[in-house]
Amino acid sequence: KAGVTQTPRYLIKTRGQQVTLSCSPISGHRSVSWYQQTPGQGLQFLFEYFSETQRNKGNFPGRFSGRQFSNSRSEMNVSTLELGDSALYLCASSPNNQETQYFGPGTRLLVL
Amino acid sequence: AQTVTQSQPEMSVQEAETVTLSCTYDTSESDYYLFWYKQPPSRQMILVIRQEAYKQQNATENRFSVNFQKAAKSFSLKISDSQLGDAAMYFCASSQGAQKLVFGQGTRLTINP
Repeated sequence: KAGVTQTPRYLIKTRGQQVTLSCSPISGHRSVSWYQQTPGQGLQFLFEYFSETQRNKGNFPGRFSGRQFSNSRSEMNVSTLELGDSALYLCASSPNNQETQYFGPGTRLLVL
Repeated sequence: AQTVTQSQPEMSVQEAETVTLSCTYDTSESDYYLFWYKQPPSRQMILVIRQEAYKQQNATENRFSVNFQKAAKSFSLKISDSQLGDAAMYFCASSQGAQKLVFGQGTRLTINP
């Protein structure tokens, strides 16, 4: 099976703009989770979607949002970008309620 | 709240030797899962090994094995016969059924030829 794919792989934005990142899970996987990785804060959970419903959310401001489509593909959106949003954004998928998550290659976002 | 602690920011080992990476965690749950992930310079997060908390037997995957001490809340990773390709950041993580992983800060492993 093909792995988790994320697009775009690299992105440069300026403060105040918004950005949308996309994640396609492994075929058959219905759960998609998003994580932010920064040198200072490490890996932090953003949110998780299952069957188009957000099941869990981390401690991030409302500028961070997401959604999942009927084909399990997911998008996350960050509005009013801040310099501190520069990070590697990782998406992971898992089948149903199993615990093992498989990660995509990530999207590197740089906010100038 | 779950917490995961990796006390070794960096480790190094000679090629072909054995190295152990440490991890401790804290949870109030009885049912949880523990993982080791590897992140090479490509930044792709790769699953190394997984342990279910209800299983007493330590998980093993080829050269990788864990020492799971449930009472002590310790979960160390042993890499045998280290290879140059094992060089990476290693993250310990826990999950309590909500598809939410809590990660440690990572250990950078260097393999010396």
